Amino acid sequence: EIVLTQSPGTLSLSPGERATLSCRASQSVSSNYLAWYQQKPGQAPRLLIYGVFNRATAIPDRFTGSGSGTDFTLTISRLEPEDFAVYYCQQYGRSPRTFGQGTKVEIK
Amino acid sequence: QVQLVQSGAEVKKPGASVRVSCEAFGYTFTTYDVCWVRQATGQGLEWMGWMNPNSGNTNYLPKLRGRVTMTSDTSKNTAYMELSSLTSEDTALYFCARCIRNELFSDSWGQGTLVTVSS
Repeated sequence: EIVLTQSPGTLSLSPGERATLSCRASQSVSSNYLAWYQQKPGQAPRLLIYGVFNRATAIPDRFTGSGSGTDFTLTISRLEPEDFAVYYCQQYGRSPRTFGQGTKVEIK
Repeated sequence: QVQLVQSGAEVKKPGASVRVSCEAFGYTFTTYDVCWVRQATGQGLEWMGWMNPNSGNTNYLPKLRGRVTMTSDTSKNTAYMELSSLTSEDTALYFCARCIRNELFSDSWGQGTLVTVSS
């Protein structure tokens, strides 16, 4: 099983600041099958990024995914009030598909 | 638009089984897989498995094999997840999601079904 480790656990930032979230895999992720999801309290997750850098439908371009192999990054260029949430990475290249433990982006 | 509507909350006793349904709207049900993910209160996401409504093929998280069954009724555009021999550790919010075939990332999610296991 591929273990995904996200860091930091919590990121305290102000609106307008840049957020950099990390996701490290215990082994190389096949075909760069790495996705990012956003989850707000009381809601289902929402797909942001798939295939490392492809934005999902209607996702604004302030969200950028990058990386390869075992190290991946989600960057939010300028935080909007609605971006404060928990973010999960997921690898879907190998069974079982696994999620990271999440990074909470909170208002400073 | 694409929508997945799940059945309502359930309360079960330890040792019992639960079945959660997930009805799909707005797309051709058989051309996507259905994934199931659960989330204990205040915790992260745990991928449970997937099924192909067209072929009936399934793949489950190893630790759940023997207790979980994922099925579908294509005439009703509905997927089902049944979990047996429940314990308190199965108390969680259960999500179904539309998954891209052969890749299995989830591009649309149900609203979640809370399953509480309590004596």
